[in-house]
Amino acid sequence: HSVLTQPPSASGTPGQRITLSCAGSSSSIGVNGVNWYQQLPGTAPKLLITNNNRRPSGVPDRFSGSKSGLSASLTIGGLQSEDEAEYFCATWDDSLNGVIFGGGTKLTVL
Amino acid sequence: QEQLQESGPGLVKPSETLSLNCNVSGYPISSGYYWGWIRQSPAKGLEWIGSLQYGGKTYYNPSLQSRITISVDKSRNQFSLKMTSVAAADTAIYYCARDSSWPHIPQGAFDLWGQGTMVTVSS
Repeated sequence: HSVLTQPPSASGTPGQRITLSCAGSSSSIGVNGVNWYQQLPGTAPKLLITNNNRRPSGVPDRFSGSKSGLSASLTIGGLQSEDEAEYFCATWDDSLNGVIFGGGTKLTVL
Repeated sequence: QEQLQESGPGLVKPSETLSLNCNVSGYPISSGYYWGWIRQSPAKGLEWIGSLQYGGKTYYNPSLQSRITISVDKSRNQFSLKMTSVAAADTAIYYCARDSSWPHIPQGAFDLWGQGTMVTVSS
């Protein structure tokens, strides 16, 4: 089981703003930066957000990230049909001494 | 254009050694970043295997550390994964990726990925 906890599913309608959560611990999210990925079926994950809130070049600005305490969030503003994908969070865990991933949230655009 | 491409056998027998290579193009592997391996299976989801920095430290997943070795070949601009004593639980898609967390500790900020290679462990 993952040490970063994500809800397994979420849904929204086009144009809606949606927030996905990622819960960690004092040894992971509490002290390290969080990264977010989008994975479309049959493809490799794509880095959306790095170090809590930084967007790599080419990522639309409707994707944003934040962190508070032991949790992090990915917000998608103006949901589009092509946003239907699985989203993962990742960070380093000081206790486990390694990179950890969340179990992923499958987002459905209704 | 920067690209990563995995290569290796798609089928490995139980108890044997899995060997995968990742060819890096468009960027010199000795010029920074961490270079890592991640695998994905329905049972375990995304699982970090390990990362290394050329000329620097190598980080391994503690749960796999006894069975894995990640190494780099600067002359070929590629890095490799060896995993010994494989079992059915090692069946997964294996990705190589570049971690942009460098020079800090690797934090899983993989900004460039290979397309992935499916590895099945079966007799």
